[in-house]
Amino acid sequence: EAGVAQSPRYKIIEKRQSVAFWCNPISGHATLYWYQQILGQGPKLLIQFQNNGVVDDSQLPKDRFSAERLKGVDSTLKIQPAKLEDSAVYLCASSRDLEQYFGPGTRLTVT
Amino acid sequence: AQSVTQPDIHITVSEGASLELRCNYSYGATPYLFWYVQSPGQGLQLLLKYFSGDTLVQGIKGFEAEFKRSQSSFNLRKPSVHWSDAAEYFCAVGPMEYGNKLVFGAGTILRVKS
Repeated sequence: EAGVAQSPRYKIIEKRQSVAFWCNPISGHATLYWYQQILGQGPKLLIQFQNNGVVDDSQLPKDRFSAERLKGVDSTLKIQPAKLEDSAVYLCASSRDLEQYFGPGTRLTVT
Repeated sequence: AQSVTQPDIHITVSEGASLELRCNYSYGATPYLFWYVQSPGQGLQLLLKYFSGDTLVQGIKGFEAEFKRSQSSFNLRKPSVHWSDAAEYFCAVGPMEYGNKLVFGAGTILRVKS
């Protein structure tokens, strides 16, 4: 089966600009996650969707980050405006049960 | 709060030597435990998982891990390391309070010398 797809793979923007990342989960996976992985750290959950409803967004900086999952399939994560500290890899994962499958990530550099 | 500690930031082993990567967690109940591997520029790949039952679990690529409740540990082992095992390894805990949130350790970078 196809894995989790993410695009773009790399993005460089200036601070205060906006950026959006896209994720297509594995077919049939109801749960979708966005993680932020800062260099030298483990991934940190930003938001979790169950179908198109939010289960957990307690660590999402809501003043600048937003996410949506339309029709319970694809998801978009947006940052507006970006800050230097948002430089990280943004990982999308999906699951049908307890096992999460990760995409290749989007590496964001904010200059 | 739940936490995961991987005490070793970097480990270097010779090809063919045995490997043990340490993981300690802090959690009030029996957690679900995972080890993931991440190669440069790649996403995370699941190596193995522990949910319940036998405390010694086998994974892919010849890896195994042992859950020790008394030590709150879930160490990853491999009897003979190959050069292709060079990567970063992450231990994760699934608290299962709600949803399926994973809490990750900071990772251990494995270098393999020939």
